[in-house]
Amino acid sequence: GAGVSQSPRYKVAKRGQDVALRCDPISGHVSLFWYQQALGQGPEFLTYFQNEAQLDKSGLPSDRFFAERPEGSVSTLKIQRTQQEDSAVYLCASSLHTPGLETTDTQYFGPGTRLTVL
Amino acid sequence: AQSVTQPDIHITVSEGASLELRCNYSYGATPYLFWYVQSPGQGLQLLLKYFSGDTLVQGIKGFEAEFKRSQSSFNLRKPSVHWSDAAEYFCADTLEDGYNKLIFGAGTRLAVHP
Repeated sequence: GAGVSQSPRYKVAKRGQDVALRCDPISGHVSLFWYQQALGQGPEFLTYFQNEAQLDKSGLPSDRFFAERPEGSVSTLKIQRTQQEDSAVYLCASSLHTPGLETTDTQYFGPGTRLTVL
Repeated sequence: AQSVTQPDIHITVSEGASLELRCNYSYGATPYLFWYVQSPGQGLQLLLKYFSGDTLVQGIKGFEAEFKRSQSSFNLRKPSVHWSDAAEYFCADTLEDGYNKLIFGAGTRLAVHP
């Protein structure tokens, strides 16, 4: 596709339910990022993939959060036993190249998944 | 820790007026700076970016930004605002950790009066 797509766009979960959020990055993009955006805040980094390798998961708030990208394209962010504080917009972004210390690349964002935990 | 500050949470301007949104970054030998816009229910759209070179950067929709290293600033400007510019604007810097994750400011919500 032309851009990053995410599904579902909206998800309502009861507290304690597991949810899975999907991201389809731009075809051929090596890097994939997940961000969490709480209401009224800027996005905050969750995790980073380079192809299928999860190289940085320092932003995941708890061990209830798990992300994967098994074939280096589509990624899934899974949240187990959802809590009310997990309510947020989850944004996925992809970029073409491998990042480095001396260079960077533009990240292209999907529309996000708005998760509401009741 | 590296951070991005957007001092103005909310700004209101009249249509046709000029606009300046402020952004300050904390530090960085080589800052890579971005401005994104987010309309309600939408993802983040890139307006412009600064990597190196000319400190005045042109973007889409008539926006520009000026990088000033001495002031650690990267302010966004537009000479004449349109009603469709009403949205939330985010400034971002790249964390110098080799993975280049983005650090965002808290955002500035722009309202445009007719």
